[in-house]
Amino acid sequence: QKEVEQDPGPLSVPEGAIVSLNCTYSNSAFQYFMWYRQYSRKGPELLMYTYSSGNKEDGRFTAQVDKSSKYISLFIRDSQPSDSATYLCAMSDYNAGNNRKLIWGLGTSLAVNP
Amino acid sequence: DAGVIQSPRHEVTEMGQEVTLRCKPISGHDYLFWYRQTMMRGLELLIYFNNNVPIDDSGMPEDRFSAKMPNASFSTLKIQPSEPRDSAVYFCASSLAPGANVLTFGAGSRLTVL
Repeated sequence: QKEVEQDPGPLSVPEGAIVSLNCTYSNSAFQYFMWYRQYSRKGPELLMYTYSSGNKEDGRFTAQVDKSSKYISLFIRDSQPSDSATYLCAMSDYNAGNNRKLIWGLGTSLAVNP
Repeated sequence: DAGVIQSPRHEVTEMGQEVTLRCKPISGHDYLFWYRQTMMRGLELLIYFNNNVPIDDSGMPEDRFSAKMPNASFSTLKIQPSEPRDSAVYFCASSLAPGANVLTFGAGSRLTVL
């Protein structure tokens, strides 16, 4: 079993829909949780960053972390065609030590249709 | 800042040839990462540097791969000899401690080995 599981999709939704993207993980030591967005032929870019459990909102995007269930989610409200991309979750148990390794999901491909 | 600069963007070579990929990180960033991305395996960390010093190269597939960072503004990833299974997109990313989980990626180098 992979440390981080993410449904690759593809996910296709109409413009304006609410999108839910999810990752599950097995390492209870993970504390830092990130969502990166990757457009075709581009490098990933950081979208959301959360620490420990709880919610974080940024515009149309909301990131949720449920450490008890080892489950993280990214919600996109009022989805737009420009949101069409691959969304990758990443996580880390980085502390004051020297671990800079992120553990990545495979990514979920999202298409928002006009 | 122009972001993380990678070259070449595309490389097509024949099996057995040497390949050198180049990266210029964001000025002032003290961490540099080399990743490989394929459909099957997703993003894989190959090696990362802190202040030009290699910290963890456990992701380097085998001795055919080597990476150097001679100064704070330049890094190379070399594959010698190249094999068809090395075909992938290679990303360089940099980050600034203490937010080292916040990676800024380059646009990637797409390598095809025939």
